[in-house]
Amino acid sequence: NAGVTQTPKFHILKTGQSMTLQCAQDMNHGYLSWYRQDPGMGLRRIHYSVAAGITDKGEVPDGYNVSRSNTEDFPLRLESAAPSQTSVYFCASRYNISERWKDTQYFGPGTRLTVL
Amino acid sequence: EDKVVQSPLSLVVHEGDTVTLNCSYEVTNFRSLLWYKQEKKAPTFLFMLTSSGIEKKSGRLSSILDKKELFSILNITATQTGDSAIYLCAHTDKLIFGTGTRLQVFP
Repeated sequence: NAGVTQTPKFHILKTGQSMTLQCAQDMNHGYLSWYRQDPGMGLRRIHYSVAAGITDKGEVPDGYNVSRSNTEDFPLRLESAAPSQTSVYFCASRYNISERWKDTQYFGPGTRLTVL
Repeated sequence: EDKVVQSPLSLVVHEGDTVTLNCSYEVTNFRSLLWYKQEKKAPTFLFMLTSSGIEKKSGRLSSILDKKELFSILNITATQTGDSAIYLCAHTDKLIFGTGTRLQVFP
């Protein structure tokens, strides 16, 4: 199993450009989340999905869109990038909760995005 | 509003020291608390805590939860330079993370 994969690893955008960050998992996890990490702010959740076709907003959703057409993939789209979206983005996955042993969440390697 | 607060924000120690990292939480629906270690890349899982008073241990690292007082601690004994990292605490119901504690261990 590859676990959680993310592409690209690094990217530079200009203000106003659009971009899609890719996330895929092969652990048959139902619950996927996108986080951004900024210095001194910890990990803040952007959007999440509990199953294909179902998405919801996290703490900081503005400026981002997501879709979930299947179990494996959960792309994050920036329609019109702004410098405030310069950050490191992590995708994370876990099982949907039915038993507590499934609570552990696994992270992808991250995408470092710079918006000029 | 659910929240997770970690302290201290930053800690600098010498090799061999013992450190205690704190995580307090306010959540409406407690499930479990997770501890992660983050070096240069993605956070890696350390412990999951669900019950009060039961210590989880892995080598020099250990963690315990107090559900009555709503906090958890992560202890690292005989620290090594390889322990230098950001340590993150998270509650699993809404997957809320604290800001993390940055630990630096010098030789």
